[in-house]
Amino acid sequence: GQQLNQSPQSMFIQEGEDVSMNCTSSSIFNTWLWYKQDPGEGPVLLIALYKAGELTSNGRLTAQFGITRKDSFLNISASIPSDVGIYFCAGPPLYSGGGADGLTFGKGTHLIIQP
Amino acid sequence: DAGITQSPRYKITETGRQVTLMCHQTWSHSYMFWYRQDLGHGLRLIYYSAAADITDKGEVSDGYVVSRSKTENFPLTLESATRSQTSVYFCASSPGSPNNSPLHFGNGTRLTVT
Repeated sequence: GQQLNQSPQSMFIQEGEDVSMNCTSSSIFNTWLWYKQDPGEGPVLLIALYKAGELTSNGRLTAQFGITRKDSFLNISASIPSDVGIYFCAGPPLYSGGGADGLTFGKGTHLIIQP
Repeated sequence: DAGITQSPRYKITETGRQVTLMCHQTWSHSYMFWYRQDLGHGLRLIYYSAAADITDKGEVSDGYVVSRSKTENFPLTLESATRSQTSVYFCASSPGSPNNSPLHFGNGTRLTVT
């Protein structure tokens, strides 16, 4: 079946290090979204990408919409303790039988930062 | 205070019982969503609603029922709870299509079915 694959599944890094994670789809996307979930809370939108090749920044975060439109990357520079959480990519629905406005989320990348 | 609130925050129920999870938003957003979050599966869409009285299935809708009689409320009902429905449930809203508008999530309801 169609899938949205995120990697890595988890990351253990030192404070101050840069972080890279990515998401790949079996289908072509017109939109890529990146959300972050803090412990005990719901996810919050970080960055939205709407065009192949687009590179967008939000503070220390930078995300790119892959040229093939089947992948996206999120980078975090100089990580700090509050970057801890789960990062999700999301895009249009990949399942069948449902409505067209339901977002599909990846399984998430767990980021753990050691001071 | 404005925002999206879910209740209860925690719920324990027995197999076979009916349980309803509540979601209320004060922004008058058109769209509302229910997701479940499980280890190894991430967030999976159960149902969503584009407006009052309009609902659509998501990826994992079997065993769940929703209604949207008012714009601000979107309750999720498990008609006969099963252990496989033990999960953390998140409600979300957005002013427009989620492809163009950010989803605003509640803080979740942790449901345990025994």
